[in-house]
Amino acid sequence: DIQMTQSPSTLSASVGDRVTITCRASQSISVWLAWYQQKPGKAPKLLIYKASSLESGVPSRFSGSGSGTEFTLTINSLQPDDFATYYCEQYNGNFTFGPGTKVDIK
Amino acid sequence: EAQLVESGGGLVQPGGSLRLSCAASGFTFSNFEMHWVRQAPGKGLEWISYISTRSSVIFYADSVKGRFTISRDDAKRSLFLQMDSLRVEDTAVYYCARDTGGKDYWGQGTQVTVSS
Repeated sequence: DIQMTQSPSTLSASVGDRVTITCRASQSISVWLAWYQQKPGKAPKLLIYKASSLESGVPSRFSGSGSGTEFTLTINSLQPDDFATYYCEQYNGNFTFGPGTKVDIK
Repeated sequence: EAQLVESGGGLVQPGGSLRLSCAASGFTFSNFEMHWVRQAPGKGLEWISYISTRSSVIFYADSVKGRFTISRDDAKRSLFLQMDSLRVEDTAVYYCARDTGGKDYWGQGTQVTVSS
């Protein structure tokens, strides 16, 4: 089974900061990776699919990159609405979520 | 707009059974692959099951294989999860989600609590 790791597990940032979250797969998953945002008590929201494709309606300050085993989610100019937990998910034949990265207020 | 609504959660004793439902609207349900994903209290997301269109391909996570059964009724625009031999560690919010390469629509979730 493919295992996913994320770093950091928690990230403290301020409004306006540029934030980068890293996701690593235990084996190559090509570009079959998605990123989600989740707020407490709510369902996850798809941000990025196929490693770098922005989901419709998602602000352009969110971007994804990477292929193979290493991927990044970048949030340019962090906004108050962006404080949340972010998960990566691989979907290369099977499905696995990363453990999550909580972005909180510094 | 697409909408997914889960139901069927509740409190059940260890060893018991529950059947979750997910009602779809606002899109052609039969054209989409579907998933169940769960989240234990204070924990991350765990994918648990996938079903393709026409139910031709089904996958399960190892944690539920042999105990849970996913199914769909395209005529009723519904997805199901039959959960048997429930364990305390199955306690979680259960979500259904639509697959478009990434899961673009999710339900609001239904709480399943397994406790004596």
